[in-house]
Amino acid sequence: GAVVSQHPSWVICKSGTSVKIECRSLDFQATTMFWYRQFPKQSLMLMATSNEGSKATYEQGVEKDKFLINHASLTLSTLTVTSAHPEDSSFYICSAGREAHYNEQFFGPGTRLTVL
Amino acid sequence: AQTVTQSQPEMSVQEAETVTLSCTYDTSENNYYLFWYKQPPSRQMILVIRQEAYKQQNATENRFSVNFQKAAKSFSLKISDSQLGDTAMYFCAFMKHRNSGNTPLVFGKGTRLSVIA
Repeated sequence: GAVVSQHPSWVICKSGTSVKIECRSLDFQATTMFWYRQFPKQSLMLMATSNEGSKATYEQGVEKDKFLINHASLTLSTLTVTSAHPEDSSFYICSAGREAHYNEQFFGPGTRLTVL
Repeated sequence: AQTVTQSQPEMSVQEAETVTLSCTYDTSENNYYLFWYKQPPSRQMILVIRQEAYKQQNATENRFSVNFQKAAKSFSLKISDSQLGDTAMYFCAFMKHRNSGNTPLVFGKGTRLSVIA
């Protein structure tokens, strides 16, 4: 149990376009989802915390108008990279937490975004 | 704010040998969790082991064990009988404890481990 999926796994887009990445908890309800960003050969950096039915909380330095996060249901959070530029190319990973299981998170397989 | 430091960017070990990866952290929290995650080339994050700060006993999972020194804020990972499949990036991570609600993970910079045949 506790499986998290991400879609797409890999996306290539042109500069200036928008890209939506989905994070789904397949067999549990995720009250909280987290979005991380990982540049090549670097660590995971938290971008934002997403709670179902409320606005996301962004980390300092993360542009909320550029990285739109929606957590409309207990099983789905989306990250939309708006007007993408080459510097947004990165690996984006989501994780999900379960109600009453606050000592663990479950990771999606990640999405590789390449902006040309 | 919490910080996690991994001072070994790269390590290598012979197959079947034992290796220890280091991790230190800084926090003013009294109750928290510490983790080691493995990230193989697929980049899927895999939980290796978890330690609850209020537990004095070191966590173990088969060939993986930790040396948790709370006063020193140290949390090292020992891999015994290393296998080729252990080759991966290893991240140490910290998470605050809360009675309700999930909190995000804070990661170290990682240690790239290579197991040599």
